[in-house]
Amino acid sequence: GAVVSQHPSWVICKSGTSVKIECRSLDFQATTMFWYRQFPKQSLMLMATSNEGSKATYEQGVEKDKFLINHASLTLSTLTVTSAHPEDSSFYICSARETGSSNQPQHFGDGTRLSIL
Amino acid sequence: DAKTTQPNSMESNEEEPVHLPCNHSTISGTDYIHWYRQLPSQGPEYVIHGLTSNVNNRMASLAIAEDRKSSTLILHRATLRDAAVYYCILVGNTGKLIFGQGTTLQVKP
Repeated sequence: GAVVSQHPSWVICKSGTSVKIECRSLDFQATTMFWYRQFPKQSLMLMATSNEGSKATYEQGVEKDKFLINHASLTLSTLTVTSAHPEDSSFYICSARETGSSNQPQHFGDGTRLSIL
Repeated sequence: DAKTTQPNSMESNEEEPVHLPCNHSTISGTDYIHWYRQLPSQGPEYVIHGLTSNVNNRMASLAIAEDRKSSTLILHRATLRDAAVYYCILVGNTGKLIFGQGTTLQVKP
């Protein structure tokens, strides 16, 4: 089946640090990838849609200068949390959709748990 | 994107069938019905999706009402590994997944 790898699995860092999270589709090409955030005991919240070769589309209320997204190839998207603060601590999850129609299933990574001290 | 309504929680006994309901009365003609599940501390996992006809795969079956205003995910024999939060999501032309609260399924041995 389709596999999405997300790295790192967890990261702990000091306030003010920038953190980069990678999302790779291992056995398929993904024109479109998505980034989500999930707080404890809550559902996933879509942050942005990442399209290969173009700018990401951010959901309302998500700061694009805070959460930098790059989708430079058909198998890799990165999310950089810039100047992270404790309130950015969360579970970040990416997904990738196989190239094709928009109703294709999304395949998810195992998430990155980010803790900012 | 149209919304869905699911029960907050359900219980099942191991090795018995489970029927997880989902209401989506405002579904549009082009919306697909997707189901995902999430185990603790993991990313969601795709389960099944359909448009109008019932669908079967190795994980589950999806029964879609004739008027498409509701659907049911069927796990034929629940195992302890099926304990998870199950999300029913309508997917339109944007392809976005807007997650609701889902149904937390508990499976009792």
